[in-house]
Amino acid sequence: TQLLEQSPQFLSIQEGENLTVYCNSSSVFSSLQWYRQEPGEGPVLLVTVVTGGEVKKLKRLTFQFGDARKDSSLHITAAQPGDTGLYLCAGAPSGSARQLTFGSGTQLTVLP
Amino acid sequence: DAGVTQSPTHLIKTRGQQVTLRCSPKSGHDTVSWYQQALGQGPQFIFQYYEEEERQRGNFPDRFSGHQFPNYSSELNVNALLLGDSALYLCASSLPNTVGTGELFFGEGSRLTVL
Repeated sequence: TQLLEQSPQFLSIQEGENLTVYCNSSSVFSSLQWYRQEPGEGPVLLVTVVTGGEVKKLKRLTFQFGDARKDSSLHITAAQPGDTGLYLCAGAPSGSARQLTFGSGTQLTVLP
Repeated sequence: DAGVTQSPTHLIKTRGQQVTLRCSPKSGHDTVSWYQQALGQGPQFIFQYYEEEERQRGNFPDRFSGHQFPNYSSELNVNALLLGDSALYLCASSLPNTVGTGELFFGEGSRLTVL
């Protein structure tokens, strides 16, 4: 079973601060995705990274896939209250195109 | 363009009962995956349906079964409910063989409480 561990589990910060969320595994993933989930809703895809070392930016969010494709990070610059939510990383195991393994999530709260 | 729709949104059952959850995929999608999300946890893969067949299954007992209809909609059935089955059940649709590279579109989920 391929596991994804996310840290921290909970994060509460003030508006304007920067933060980084980590997603780690001992297994290699063919790709890794980040989702955000708000209360009462399903997860919504933020980004997909495929190549080891890849960096993608989405406005104030920066995503990186580790060189060995075993880990990833999400960095948010100047966090805003609208960034509040559950951030989930999800990996597609090598050789399987049919299922995603999700991390346990990071609950981010940005206080105004 | 309707997204993924799930029903019911909330339901309460007692131990030993059976439950059926329903999902209609996003227009144009023919692959449906089901996930279980316990409180404070990430979603866990239950199984995936494509062309009316179960294509892959996660680590869930046989009490969990499913079906896909010719119009691509899907059902998740859980028999002999246990307290530990209380969770948010998420349906996600996608194009075939794009999981991990393409986007999974999730419904809002069905919140099951087992008493």
